[in-house]
Amino acid sequence: ETGVTQSPTHLIKTRGQQVTLRCSSQSGHNTVSWYQQALGQGPQFIFQYYREEENGRGNFPPRFSGLQFPNYSSELNVNALELDDSALYLCASSPGGSGGQETQYFGPGTRLLVL
Amino acid sequence: KQEVTQIPAALSVPEGENLVLNCSFTDSAIYNLQWFRQDPGKGLTSLLLIQSSQREQTSGRLNASLDKSSGRSTLYIAASQPGDSATYLCAVPQTGANNLFFGTGTRLTVIP
Repeated sequence: ETGVTQSPTHLIKTRGQQVTLRCSSQSGHNTVSWYQQALGQGPQFIFQYYREEENGRGNFPPRFSGLQFPNYSSELNVNALELDDSALYLCASSPGGSGGQETQYFGPGTRLLVL
Repeated sequence: KQEVTQIPAALSVPEGENLVLNCSFTDSAIYNLQWFRQDPGKGLTSLLLIQSSQREQTSGRLNASLDKSSGRSTLYIAASQPGDSATYLCAVPQTGANNLFFGTGTRLTVIP
């Protein structure tokens, strides 16, 4: 157990809809990162938040957005869903401001299916 | 851009065998390298993190090595067990970036 939780575990949406995925980091972890993992692939970095501000972004369009809250929870929002958005979405938390330079603790993921 | 490659993509071994998983990366300017385990449809479990100043890191039956200059890491699993069956992913952060680059993983099956 990493102490990182995600909800919901599974979700089915239709193309064009909007979705919000939630993550609760370990207490005291100021950094949260979100990754998208398509079937058979490694996770791809979406963005990272540090103390409620975006602190890095991967090659994802603006319809992927996020929020981080003071209570160590965070959200990933995806607008105008496309079929290719079907994937496992993982959040990861770490203590400091350089998430890639320290152990990241991953949640169990949310599996999103877009029909 | 950092690229991470893992070979083989899949591996099947009988129980009790020792095995080696390989990971290579193109940009050697890394702070560390991390090995993860992923069970089907689940999240990632961190197994080992090797700092760039280290050459090896051990945890139980697992031993990870890092050769930064050649851009390679190996994960050695001793005396494999059916419970080791999973996908193993390696990941590196890039200097100046805040994200991890992952390989596509090696899917390991240990046959009882």
